[in-house]
This record gives sequence, C-alpha cells and structure tokens, in this order.
Amino acid sequence: KQEVTQIPAALSVPEGENLVLNCSFTDSAIYNLQWFRQDPGKGLTSLLLIQSSQREQTSGRLNASLDKSSGRSTLYIAASQPGDSATYLCAVPNNDMRFGAGTRLTVKP
Amino acid sequence: NAGVTQTPKFQVLKTGQSMTLQCAQDMNHEYMSWYRQDPGMGLRLIHYSVGAGITDQGEVPNGYNVSRSTTEDFPLRLLSAAPSQTSVYFCASSSSGTPVTEAFFGQGTRLTVV
Repeated sequence: KQEVTQIPAALSVPEGENLVLNCSFTDSAIYNLQWFRQDPGKGLTSLLLIQSSQREQTSGRLNASLDKSSGRSTLYIAASQPGDSATYLCAVPNNDMRFGAGTRLTVKP
Repeated sequence: NAGVTQTPKFQVLKTGQSMTLQCAQDMNHEYMSWYRQDPGMGLRLIHYSVGAGITDQGEVPNGYNVSRSTTEDFPLRLLSAAPSQTSVYFCASSSSGTPVTEAFFGQGTRLTVV
C-alpha cells in the first residue's frame, strides 16, 4: 500500500524567502507525481505533474523534482509572496490516488 | 471551460436522510473519482470509475453508492446519512490509461450531518 508523507506539516516564512516542501512515498513504482495547491475552503488546483521519466518540472516560480529511487519529491518555491499562502499537497496518481496530508504554508508580508 | 462542477456547495442533512452529490465534467475524461477530506486524515478515496458503466470501491466506500451512466456524470449517493459522514467531498477527473494523467478537482461540497 502506497504511503505518502509530507514534511513539514506547517511552515511560516517571511516574504521573499526561497523555500522547499518535501514529499516522500513508499512505493517507487509510480507513473507520475502531482503537486496541488488548496486555499482555505476551496478545491485543489493542480500546480505541476512530473512524469516518472522526468526529474524536474517547472512552472514560473515553482520547480518540482522527482527522485523515484529514493521515493522523494520536492517543491521549490522561489521568492515567496503572501499570495503563495495555502496548503500544498502531493499525490501519487493511480486508480487509487494517494495524498499526503499537506504542508500549510504562510508567507508573512 | 467549466472543468469539474460539483453541486451543491453546502448541505446540511439530518441523520438518516438521503441525498445525492452531483459531479459533472466537460473534458471527456474517462476516469472520475470521489474523495472525502477530513482534518488530520487528508483526502481519502471513496469510489472511482474508469468509464461509463464501470465503478469500483476506494479506501472508504461504506455508506456511499455510485453509478456511472454517462461519461460526464458521476453522482455520489448517501442512502442514510450519519454524523460520521460530515466532511468535505471532492470529485475529480482525469484521462484514463497508462500513465494516469493530470487530475482535475471540483470545488467541493461541504456536508454537515446533524
């Protein structure tokens, strides 16, 4: 059974700081890994999808990496802004998509 | 481009009542699924469907029924609501196949059972 873990559970940083969110998974036989953002009371917004054959995927200030052999993915956010404040979730898709519990990020002005 | 649409957004039920949560997608996706999100538990899969006429159970299926008569719609039924079903429910869709492609989520239905 795939287990997905996200560390830290919460993170507070000052505006402008670069930061890294971590995601680990127990079964390395994955097709891909997806990062989502969830604002309070809202649904999930897809940020990045990394295919198992890729090592990195970038979108604007976001960069996600994937290391299947070690069962890890990181989401790097450059020059953080207060608007980045949200919960970030990683998920390993399959017929039975498994989610981490998320990292709640607060970026202080 | 509506994506995944869920209705209603909020609902209060009394214990024992029944209701249907609606989910529709306009992306011609084969794969659709229902999750519930609870504090401290994350998102857990309730039921999923890989195409019209095909459904299967996820991690927490008890108390819920689904059917998939069309590609676009995947309703979730609560036959006899219980307080333990108080949660936020999300519907998602994605293209099926291997590898599974990007998943898109609806905005959620916040259900309270009293």
